[in-house]
Order: sequence, then C-alpha cells, then structure tokens
Amino acid sequence: EAQVTQNPRYLITVTGKKLTVTCSQNMNHEYMSWYRQDPGLGLRQIYYSMNVEVTDKGDVPEGYKVSRKEKRNFPLILESPSPNQTSLYFCASSSRQLFNSPLHFGNGTRLTVT
Amino acid sequence: GENVEQHPSTLSVQEGDSAVIKCTYSDSASNYFPWYKQELGKGPQLIIDIRSNVGEKKDQRIAVTLNKTAKHFSLHITETQPEDSAVYFCAASRDSGGYQKVTFGTGTKLQVIP
Repeated sequence: EAQVTQNPRYLITVTGKKLTVTCSQNMNHEYMSWYRQDPGLGLRQIYYSMNVEVTDKGDVPEGYKVSRKEKRNFPLILESPSPNQTSLYFCASSSRQLFNSPLHFGNGTRLTVT
Repeated sequence: GENVEQHPSTLSVQEGDSAVIKCTYSDSASNYFPWYKQELGKGPQLIIDIRSNVGEKKDQRIAVTLNKTAKHFSLHITETQPEDSAVYFCAASRDSGGYQKVTFGTGTKLQVIP
C-alpha cells in the first residue's frame, strides 16, 4: 500500500530535550515536505526537499532541522524544543512536483512541549 | 507571497443539503488549486483539484469552480452525507524556483447533521 508513515503519532517532551520525528514514504517520490498545523492558521510549511541531499526552508523553519540522506526518509529534528513548537505535524510527499502533482500526507504527529 | 483566505471556518448542514466553501488567493501566478479533506486523526487527502485553464470540474457529488479574474475558487458538495463531516483545506500552488509552492487556506470544519 502506497503510504507516508510518520512516527511517533504522539509525543510529549520537555523544553530543550532534543527529539526526532521520522517520516518515510514508499512511493519513490522525489519531493518531501514537513508542515505544522495550528488552529486558525492552516498548514504551514517548515522545510522541504526536492531530492536526496537537497533541502530548503519553508515559511516557518526557525527551530527545526531536516535531513534527506535517502530518498524514502525525511526526518524532522527539533534540537531544543520550546512550548511554541507544540503543534500537529505532517509529513508529505509528491511525485513530479513541477507538474502539479498532489501531496500525499502522513497521519500526523501530535507534539506537546512542556 | 501568496495569501489564501478560506470561508467559512465552520459550517453545519443537514444531511442531504449542499455545502459550499469559498477561497480567495492573491498571486495571479498560482495555477493549480487542490482541495484536501482531513478526517479526524488522519492527514489531509486530496479530493479534487483544478488547473487554471479550467473553470469547473466535477466528480460525483463534489465540484470545484475557479474564477481567475476574481481570484477565487469554491468547493461544492451536493447531497451531503455524515461521512462528509471533516475539515476541508483549499490550496493555491505556483511554480517557485523549480518546485510547486503550495499555500493552504485556514480550513473549514464541516459538520453534516443526520
């Protein structure tokens, strides 16, 4: 089954404790991206990757890092989480993004930072 | 940058009635307009999309219209059913430095009352 898999689904942590949210897709998609979803703000892009070893900032990159060492994986790293990063996070992938291909989303990771 | 406004933020309809969600965008270079449905506990999923060279597209009970001159597009759901209850996101997409930059609306929570 074609899918984007995120782990964990739920995560509670404390301020300053480094964490990683994993994302993997099995569709051989070149393009991958991370979004955060907050009430009243919709989905905002954090980082994206056009292909292996190619990453770039989205609209709200502060406090986040990513890496793309393999085509299928695109982990999101919070090196020093803060309470304002409490949010619902989605990983997405797409094929041939240049040609208006739709995004395929994972089921989300709900992060709480206390 | 692109700004996408979506209204209403919440919508309640009786089963069998129609539902309409409206979005406006600001960037005339946007050329692809997908709609996503997000069910509880899941990631957004594409339900219909329209390209800028088309004014209307229909898929069973769902239709989307696009007015490029006025920069607005709408989602129409006819004969609503309880399973249509979800959060709906509109999006506007444009080519940006070699990839499609997608900007999402803030979402509409649709409740279909049996």
